[in-house]
Amino acid sequence: EVRLVESGGGVVRPGGSLRLTCLASGFTFDDYGMMWVRQAPGKGLECVSGINWKSAKTGYADSVKGRFTISRDNAKNSLYLEMNSLRAEDTALYYCARGRSTTGTANDAFDIWGQGTWVTVSS
Amino acid sequence: DLQMTQTPSSLSASVGDRVTITCQASQDINKFLSWYQQRPGKPPNLLIYDASILETGVPSRFSGRGSGTYFTLTINSLQPEDFATYYCQQYDDLPITFGQGTRLEIK
Repeated sequence: EVRLVESGGGVVRPGGSLRLTCLASGFTFDDYGMMWVRQAPGKGLECVSGINWKSAKTGYADSVKGRFTISRDNAKNSLYLEMNSLRAEDTALYYCARGRSTTGTANDAFDIWGQGTWVTVSS
Repeated sequence: DLQMTQTPSSLSASVGDRVTITCQASQDINKFLSWYQQRPGKPPNLLIYDASILETGVPSRFSGRGSGTYFTLTINSLQPEDFATYYCQQYDDLPITFGQGTRLEIK
């Protein structure tokens, strides 16, 4: 079964840090680009960051640029999001998602999604 | 970042109706647009990619058209399970960006 499972969310104070992990299974992880998408309570979808299969190309939303870092370890079938200098407006459900094509590009539609992990930034 | 303007933000319709949602890109994105459906409490579900190609398993009442900067998603003969929120997404340029969403409600 193709599956993505996010972990690492939690409650953190403003200015704090968290590291999210997405563990992939059921497919050849390094064939695909990957993405982190977040959704604040009652709001729409925002792509936080994307990465291609060999980590050579990454992209970040302006809202997180300089604070968040995406990375992947293909040997561990894992995608990561390092989040620093967290703000209240970073509070959201964070999803990881898989690119649809096996070209490994980060510029892709996304066909497999995890269930998400909650990040709450509050004092 | 490339901006995606999706309209309307909400829409009321009845079972059996046909509805159309539009998405406009702030610059030419060729055909690199996808549509997603999201039900409450669930992750998004890919419906259409490359503007008009139906993802495997998606009912044929869903269709997409467009290229360049203007795109549409049409749902023919609405079914009860279609009442959800829909998002467009461009993937021509990083970072990937989404439209604001269209909430489709039962009239």
